[in-house]
Amino acid sequence: NAGVTQTPKFRVLKTGQSMTLLCAQDMNHEYMYWYRQDPGMGLRLIHYSVGEGTTAKGEVPDGYNVSRLKKQNFLLGLESAAPSQTSVYFCASSYPDRFSPLHFGNGTRLTVT
Amino acid sequence: AQSVTQPDIHITVSEGASLELRCNYSYGATPYLFWYVQSPGQGLQLLLKYFSGDTLVQGIKGFEAEFKRSQSSFNLRKPSVHWSDAAEYFCAVGANQAGTALIFGKGTTLSVSS
Repeated sequence: NAGVTQTPKFRVLKTGQSMTLLCAQDMNHEYMYWYRQDPGMGLRLIHYSVGEGTTAKGEVPDGYNVSRLKKQNFLLGLESAAPSQTSVYFCASSYPDRFSPLHFGNGTRLTVT
Repeated sequence: AQSVTQPDIHITVSEGASLELRCNYSYGATPYLFWYVQSPGQGLQLLLKYFSGDTLVQGIKGFEAEFKRSQSSFNLRKPSVHWSDAAEYFCAVGANQAGTALIFGKGTTLSVSS
């Protein structure tokens, strides 16, 4: 059981570079989410998706884009990385009801220099 | 707007002692409440959840939480802490409609002393 898999696990970028974080889930979940975690800030929602082909903004969407071309994948893109985007990024997925808990990946640690 | 407050940033408990982590929420209706645990370098794992019914909820690893509507609280407890319980704990409240995400508190870091 892979659950939610995030790649890569670590990445260092220079300011202005771009990259894509990949999230894949094998639980047939409709909903997928991207959070960022910063010290003392908890988890903040970046973007989320309620189904293939749909995305929506969360609490801190600026500087990020997402795509959900396949149900099992949710991509998070940084077009022009900034030091403020240094963070740990978590992907999560869930069934399509508000009772369902989120299943989290193990995170991607991104450093932007 | 929904919000979650975890008043304690860091707590240290002796091994074998009891534990209570505080969580207060702001929500206009019956909340859907969760506690998650995060071990170093790992993602978040669900400990327990509350939707309705019995206000004392049992979870994994010997944890329990009690929902108190009058106090807008959902505190996490464990009678006897083990060294392996050292981690960060997050309280979260579910959105009032399907299709939106959980709102997380800022977390409480638990250290266990021997």
